[in-house]
Amino acid sequence: DSGVTQTPKHLITATGQRVTLRCSPRSGDLSVYWYQQSLDQGLQFLIQYYNGEERAKGNILERFSAQQFPDLHSELNLSSLELGDSALYFCASSVGLHSSTDTQYFGPGTRLTVL
Amino acid sequence: DQQVKQNSPSLSVQEGRISILNCDYTNSMFDYFLWYKKYPAEGPTFLISISSIKDKNEDGRFTVFLNKSAKHLSLHIVPSQPGDSAVYFCAATPYTGNQFYFGTGTSLTVIP
Repeated sequence: DSGVTQTPKHLITATGQRVTLRCSPRSGDLSVYWYQQSLDQGLQFLIQYYNGEERAKGNILERFSAQQFPDLHSELNLSSLELGDSALYFCASSVGLHSSTDTQYFGPGTRLTVL
Repeated sequence: DQQVKQNSPSLSVQEGRISILNCDYTNSMFDYFLWYKKYPAEGPTFLISISSIKDKNEDGRFTVFLNKSAKHLSLHIVPSQPGDSAVYFCAATPYTGNQFYFGTGTSLTVIP
């Protein structure tokens, strides 16, 4: 158990809909990262928040947004869903700001299926 | 553009033998490299890392080798055990980076 929790585990929805994925980081971790893993793909970095502020952006679509709340949990919002958004979404957390100085601990992921 | 590549989607090895997983990268700014292990229905878990100032790092049965001139790293598992069967991802980041760049993973099967 990494200490990172993600809800829900599975989500099935229809095209055009909007969903919210939730992540609670490990106790004491200030950074939260979101990744997308599509079929046969590596993990693609989406976005990082550190202590409530957005700090880095990767290949995140404009239809997607995220935020980190004062209690440090984070939510990833996916809107106008398309079939291609079906994927595993992972959240990771770390103590500090930079990837090279801190290990990232991953949650179990949320499997999103868009029908 | 895939900056970190794992060209072998799968690997099978007999128990007790050596497993060698390979990873290539294209970005010369990468300074820190990691291997993660992933079991089905779980998130990736950190296995071992190496900084660009080193060419080798060991942790028990796991050793990571880095060849900066070839932009290549490898993970050696000796001896391989059935519990090592999992998907292994390599990842890289610049020293002051905020994100990991992951490969597509290699599925290792250790045959008892």
